[in-house]
Amino acid sequence: GQQVMQIPQYQHVQEGEDFTTYCNSSTTLSNIQWYKQRPGGHPVFLIQLVKSGEVKKQKRLTFQFGEAKKNSSLHITATQTTDVGTYFCAGRTGTASKLTFGTGTRLQVTL
Amino acid sequence: DVKVTQSSRYLVKRTGEKVFLECVQDMDHENMFWYRQDPGLGLRLIYFSYDVKMKEKGDIPEGYSVSREKKERFSLILESASTNQTSMYLCASSSLTGWAEQFFGPGTRLTVL
Repeated sequence: GQQVMQIPQYQHVQEGEDFTTYCNSSTTLSNIQWYKQRPGGHPVFLIQLVKSGEVKKQKRLTFQFGEAKKNSSLHITATQTTDVGTYFCAGRTGTASKLTFGTGTRLQVTL
Repeated sequence: DVKVTQSSRYLVKRTGEKVFLECVQDMDHENMFWYRQDPGLGLRLIYFSYDVKMKEKGDIPEGYSVSREKKERFSLILESASTNQTSMYLCASSSLTGWAEQFFGPGTRLTVL
């Protein structure tokens, strides 16, 4: 079946440093979504990418969808303590309603 | 605001017990999902439903069943709980469109002793 892997599994940065998480799918995706889960919380939708090569920005967050639609990345510029949490990518194939979630990257930010 | 609620935040059960986890959404969403979340494994889909009385197996359905008698309610059933089913269980809902985001409930942390 479809697999979605994320790297790294965990990253610890100093506040102000940049952070990137990478997402790789074993199959071509129709779209990809990103979610953030704060410690003790539940996943919350951040964004969706649909087009090959698409780049979207949300303030300090930059999301990219690969040209082959099999990989994606999330880059955070100048991290803040409010960025702490686990970031998941989730891919969809075809017109299916179900998502396959990645393994997640846990981000820790210290002062 | 979309609201997805789950019947319990924490649950402790004994091996062999039948366990019911309930999920209710208030946004008239067609799709509902049950995931389990384990460290290092992300969210894994157990079952989902795209309509009342309809269900489809996800990636790890073994040991679980589901019930959807009403559109707003989706139940996960552990027929005979085992220790390897100790996990965080998350319910989610979304509208029918293939592009829709999923809205999650707060989760139920189940411990099976």
